[in-house]
Amino acid sequence: AQSVTQLGSHVSVSEGALVLLRCNYSSSVPPYLFWYVQYPNQGLQLLLKYTSAATLVKGINGFEAEFKKSETSFHLTKPSAHMSDAAEYFCAVSDLNAGNMLTFGGGTRLMVKP
Amino acid sequence: DGGITQSPKYLFRKEGQNVTLSCEQNLNHDAMYWYRQDPGQGLRLIYYSQIVNDFQKGDIAEGYSVSREKKESFPLTVTSAQKNPTAFYLCASSIRGSPLHFGNGTRLTVT
Repeated sequence: AQSVTQLGSHVSVSEGALVLLRCNYSSSVPPYLFWYVQYPNQGLQLLLKYTSAATLVKGINGFEAEFKKSETSFHLTKPSAHMSDAAEYFCAVSDLNAGNMLTFGGGTRLMVKP
Repeated sequence: DGGITQSPKYLFRKEGQNVTLSCEQNLNHDAMYWYRQDPGQGLRLIYYSQIVNDFQKGDIAEGYSVSREKKESFPLTVTSAQKNPTAFYLCASSIRGSPLHFGNGTRLTVT
């Protein structure tokens, strides 16, 4: 069985500061990993995905994430936060043997202070 | 433009009534999914369908039903048996090997 843990349901940063959103996963097989962003009352939009190629994955809006197998982590970072980054972020894991079935973390709400 | 359309965006019902949420996609995706979102709990899978006329229960299927008579459509019925139906419902679709593509959701309020 797979699971995803996102440390911190709320994260607050100042505009221009580093954004770090944490994600740890458990999976019995090599996983696919994803980060999605959700703006209020909207669906989820894919930020980036890891599919066993390069361990450092670059996504949209300046975000990137690094897959660390030894730490079972896939943390999301952005060097400089922008007000428009305020949203909820979800980490998800997919079992390669289960098609596109995703298991989601509980989400982290990012707040950006001016 | 291809995408997933969920309607309506907001839905209000009285307790004890069944209600059907619509999900239509024009992406030619084979698989479709319904997720329920509650604050602090992430997304939980209700039902999914990998092919027309076939669907499987997800983690929280009790009190819900679905049909998949057409590739483009995957409606979700929230029945009166669902004990806590007020939530944000998200429909998604995918083709094999590609990430899920989500609709904009339906917020259901039952009073």
